[in-house]
Parts: sequence; structure tokens; C-alpha cells
Amino acid sequence: QKEVEQNSGPLSVPEGAIASLNCTYSDRGSQSFFWYRQYSGKSPELIMFIYSNGDKEDGRFTAQLNKASQYVSLLIRDSQPSDSATYLCAVKGYALNFGKGTSLLVTP
Amino acid sequence: NAGVTQTPKFQVLKTGQSMTLQCAQDMNHNSMYWYRQDPGMGLRLIYYSASEGTTDKGEVPNGYNVSRLNKREFSLRLESAAPSQTSVYFCASSELDALNTEAFFGQGTRLTVV
Repeated sequence: QKEVEQNSGPLSVPEGAIASLNCTYSDRGSQSFFWYRQYSGKSPELIMFIYSNGDKEDGRFTAQLNKASQYVSLLIRDSQPSDSATYLCAVKGYALNFGKGTSLLVTP
Repeated sequence: NAGVTQTPKFQVLKTGQSMTLQCAQDMNHNSMYWYRQDPGMGLRLIYYSASEGTTDKGEVPNGYNVSRLNKREFSLRLESAAPSQTSVYFCASSELDALNTEAFFGQGTRLTVV
């Protein structure tokens, strides 16, 4: 089983700060990477995906991919209490292979 | 547009009972998946179906069977439920052959086996 590793947290940041979520993966041949957000008791929902090295920005969210280091990250700028959730990193294989998720808490 | 619909949303079973979790998608996706989610364990793949007529084991298939009834529907069956199968089950669908293969999830089934 190809591994996807995330720090389980919780990661606590103050409102308005930048939250940085990190993910590493073991399969060097992986090409597509996804960040999902999951609120407690809800299903995962896609935030963004990335498949090229470098940065991809979408509103307050920036995904960063470094295939040489097998590392993908998600930055959340101007964090809001509504961003408090679990963030799941996923790597595409024959299905999406998920990490265990990082719990983010944004404090007012 | 309903997306991915799972039934039931909640279920309590006694050890040894059987049940089938139903999943249907209306996005014309070829691929469908069943995951389970346990505290601290993330989403683990039980079975998947890359296309109509095919099914394959994922990471944790023991104790489960699946049926890809048609392109829309993918069911998960527990033949003899065990307490270790207490979990939240998610069905998902996607198009497999694309770099940006987003998986869409159903609302989940919370199953308790006592």
C-alpha cells in the first residue's frame, strides 16, 4: 500500500494567520494530488487539486507540490474560524489514497 | 443534481446480522469506491469498481462483498457483521482516467455493530 503521511495535529492558528498543512507520499510515480476538507460528521469535499510542480492558488488557498521531495502542502491565508476542520491529503492511484488527515483549529 | 446518494444514513446491527449499503451516482462516472473511516485512521479503501462489470479489492476488503449493479449503482454487503465493522462508510465516484480525477462523496452511512 502506497503511503500518504500527514501530521494528525491538532494544528491551532489564530484568526487571520496563515495555516500550513503538510503531506508526504511514498510513490514517486504519483502524478495527481488532492486536498479535501471534512467537517465533523460530514463527507469530504474537494478544496483543490494539483499535478504540476510549484504553486497553485485558488482564493485564500494555495497548494504547493514538490515531486522531487515527494511533498505537497496546503496554505490557508487569512484563516477563519469556519476553516476549522480536518484536511485530508489524497494521492491518485487506482483510487484516491488518503492520509489520516490533519485537524485544524482556527481560534477567534 | 443529487450527486452520490447513500442509503441508509444510520444503521445498528447485531453481531452476525447481514446488510447491504446502497450507493447510486447520477454523474455518469465510470469509477465507484467504498471507503470506511475510523477515528484516527483516515479513509481506507474497501473495494472499488473501475468500470461497470469490474470490481477489485482495496486495502481492507475482508468481511465485505460488493456488486456493481450497473453504471449508476455500487452496493456493499456485510454478510456477517462484526463489532470491528463499526465505522462510517462512504461511497464515492469519479472519472478514473484524468489527472484531475476528483472523487465525489456521498453523505456517509454510520454503522454500529453491537
